[in-house]
Amino acid sequence: SAVISQKPSRDICQRGTSLTIQCQVDSQVTMMFWYRQQPGQSLTLIATANQGSEATYESGFVIDKFPISRPNLTFSTLTVSNMSPEDSSIYLCSVDRGQGSYNEQFFGPGTRLTVL
Amino acid sequence: EDQVTQSPEALRLQEGESSSLNCSYTVSGLRGLFWYRQDPGKGPEFLFTLYSAGEEKEKERLKATLTKKESFLHITAPKPEDSATYLCAVQAGGNKLVFGAGTILRVKS
Repeated sequence: SAVISQKPSRDICQRGTSLTIQCQVDSQVTMMFWYRQQPGQSLTLIATANQGSEATYESGFVIDKFPISRPNLTFSTLTVSNMSPEDSSIYLCSVDRGQGSYNEQFFGPGTRLTVL
Repeated sequence: EDQVTQSPEALRLQEGESSSLNCSYTVSGLRGLFWYRQDPGKGPEFLFTLYSAGEEKEKERLKATLTKKESFLHITAPKPEDSATYLCAVQAGGNKLVFGAGTILRVKS
């Protein structure tokens, strides 16, 4: 398994501001992922973050709105920029601990963001 | 486009009343089908990955099965602590997971 922590666990922010969410893993991983879970909905992948390369964003998500850093193999940040109430969601990071064709993805506890 | 549909949306059971949750999927080249449990206010907890039709995995009161078009999560003699949202996800190319909307399970004592 994997022990994943996120900071902050929750925040209430004003419209137009930005928030940076941190994700820390207990051991080195190649791939880290950022997901969004809007109220009452399931999870949607925002981007994949590999250490040493630019993050890969899914359709509907752009780097200017959700810049991601991946400075090393145990840490990543996601920034939600110029926030609006529509950005109110739970943001989750996850890691892939699989080997070869054996896949396991583990999630952090999430960051609950409310934008006023 | 990869799609995952879970049913029912919500399920209420009495303690000890066994049942099954369904996950139907459409994907090009399935690499894995994942089941997660999510409690309110928490991140998803990994349960199983299934890789090929006919595969089965068990964990305590949960048993997951896989066919070429769907997966079932069987819950045997559930307890109130099994109450949670159960999420199904598929993985095709790359490492991206595509999630279903989930099934909210409530088990009453």
